Amino acid sequence: GAGVSQTPSNKVTEKGKYVELRCDPISGHTALYWYRQSLGQGPEFLIYFQGTGAADDSGLPNDRFFAVRPEGSVSTLKIQRTERGDSAVYLCASSPGLAPSSYNEQFFGPGTRLTVL
Amino acid sequence: AQSVAQPEDQVNVAEGNPLTVKCTYSVSGNPYLFWYVQYPNRGLQFLLKYITGDNLVKGSYGFEAEFNKSQTSFHLKKPSALVSDSALYFCAVSFYSSASKIIFGSGTRLSIRP
Repeated sequence: GAGVSQTPSNKVTEKGKYVELRCDPISGHTALYWYRQSLGQGPEFLIYFQGTGAADDSGLPNDRFFAVRPEGSVSTLKIQRTERGDSAVYLCASSPGLAPSSYNEQFFGPGTRLTVL
Repeated sequence: AQSVAQPEDQVNVAEGNPLTVKCTYSVSGNPYLFWYVQYPNRGLQFLLKYITGDNLVKGSYGFEAEFNKSQTSFHLKKPSALVSDSALYFCAVSFYSSASKIIFGSGTRLSIRP
């Protein structure tokens, strides 16, 4: 079956620009996660959705970062006024959302590599 | 603060030999522990997890891990390494009250030589 997909696979932008990264989770998965992975590091938690609502956005680094999931399926991570330090691979993951979600395995997409020049 | 550490950036093993990838954690309360693997140009894949019960957990591709509460460790092991096991391995920890947040280690690159 189809896994988690992310588009685009690569995004190059200039400092100060706005970008949107898209995630299509596995059909039927109610939980969706965004992570950021810098070179040589493990994924860093950004935000978690359960259905349409952001249940935990404590990992978003500042108010330039925002994510939505309006219909409880596809999610978009939005970054305003990009900075060079935002360059990283942005990973999306989904899981069935069975409670408690903290011990469910997550299914990861291939990531979007963002480069801010 | 909750954290997970992978003390080795790289582990090199000859094919057919046993392998161990180390992981230690620090959480308040009972941890949930995971191992994920990342192959080149592919997304992270779940290998195994410990939630409760038997300390020895078996997972995909012949891997297993042992939860050791006294040493706060969750080392990944395999009795006989394959060249195809070469990849980047991540240990991760969460806990019941975290609701969602999983903390990943920095990763260990496993290289199996023929």
